[in-house]
Amino acid sequence: AQKITQTQPGMFVQEKEAVTLDCTYDTSDPSYGLFWYKQPSSGEMIFLIYQGSYDQQNATEGRYSLNFQKARKSANLVISASQLGDSAMYFCAMREGGDSSASKIIFGSGTRLSIRP
Amino acid sequence: EADIYQTPRYLVIGTGKKITLECSQTMGHDKMYWYQQDPGMELHLIHYSYGVNSTEKGDLSSESTVSRIRTEHFPLTLESARPSHTSQYLCASSGGTREAFFGQGTRLTVV
Repeated sequence: AQKITQTQPGMFVQEKEAVTLDCTYDTSDPSYGLFWYKQPSSGEMIFLIYQGSYDQQNATEGRYSLNFQKARKSANLVISASQLGDSAMYFCAMREGGDSSASKIIFGSGTRLSIRP
Repeated sequence: EADIYQTPRYLVIGTGKKITLECSQTMGHDKMYWYQQDPGMELHLIHYSYGVNSTEKGDLSSESTVSRIRTEHFPLTLESARPSHTSQYLCASSGGTREAFFGQGTRLTVV
């Protein structure tokens, strides 16, 4: 069965500092994808970054990078130079099964990030 | 820019009423999903679909039902709304192995 674990319910970070949001996952499928989404107070889900299980390098998208440690089954999100607008809920998610029709996407419990000015 | 739309955005309805939440996407995605989310909490998968005429129940048991008669349309129906159904409902779609695109959500309140 799939499982995503985010152990940090909430975090406070000073503006301009880097922050790491933790995510561990559990799957027996060799083919899977990992995602991070941001959800501001408005409620929309904003896709941030994707990592495939067979990708050799860690994914990066602007200020976001994903620290993918396959052996440890962790996929932590790193935000460099945090900004006030980064304050939001952050969700880690996983898809098992590659492109198979049986694949579904499940989410962790989220981390509420608050940036202090 | 993702093209997935949910209507209505907000709905307040009385107990016992039948409701349908609409979700449409114009990206030709084969996979579509419905998630239920209470404020500040995690997203629970309640239904998903691989394509036309295929629907599956998600990890969270739900009294709602879905249909997928057309690729672009994935409505969710509650035959008899109850206060326990009060929540936000998020629809999403994806193609291939990449990310899912989300609609704006429907905030449902059953009084």
